[in-house]
Amino acid sequence: RKEVEQDPGPFNVPEGATVAFNCTYSNSASQSFFWYRQDCRKEPKLLMSVYSSGNEDGRFTAQLNRASQYISLLIRDSKLSDSATYLCVVKGFQKLVFGTGTRLLVSP
Amino acid sequence: EPEVTQTPSHQVTQMGQEVILRCVPISNHLYFYWYRQILGQKVEFLVSFYNNEISEKSEIFDDQFSVERPDGSNFTLKIRSTKLEDSAMYFCASTTGAEKLFFGSGTQLSVL
Repeated sequence: RKEVEQDPGPFNVPEGATVAFNCTYSNSASQSFFWYRQDCRKEPKLLMSVYSSGNEDGRFTAQLNRASQYISLLIRDSKLSDSATYLCVVKGFQKLVFGTGTRLLVSP
Repeated sequence: EPEVTQTPSHQVTQMGQEVILRCVPISNHLYFYWYRQILGQKVEFLVSFYNNEISEKSEIFDDQFSVERPDGSNFTLKIRSTKLEDSAMYFCASTTGAEKLFFGSGTQLSVL
């Protein structure tokens, strides 16, 4: 089983749509969880950390279910600029383990 | 915002040659990392470095790879004898030890 598993997509949505991404992880000892965003041929950039209580940052909502080892990201009111690859990331002792990413394409 | 700086942005080399990828982490950071991303694939952990020594490394980081922090500011990744399959984007990252990891913009290594 992969350490971090994501649907690669692509997810094609119109502007203004709501889209949800899911991710599962295999290591129950994982300590911290994140969503990163990666634009084509660029470095990953932290979008938000993910907490069990759920957390929101503007149009973005992240949720963690430790029992199911499941992480989600919800994007509301999608913008063209949201088009990117969204990486589910899990932190063990020190290193980050990345999923393959889910590609999002927002069209006019 | 402070930045992690990587040079060169693009490196082309012949198979079997040695390459050194350079990184300048953010000045007050304590933990340093190298990751790589083969085109179309996921970001993969190579090595972490803390207190002037390797703290963790992956299976990818074999004897052909080494890291150094020669002068307190630079952090380098050396590949002794490059292979075709070493072609990838190599990302340096650093952190204070808190959660946020800062990535450099990467070095695209092309092995011919």
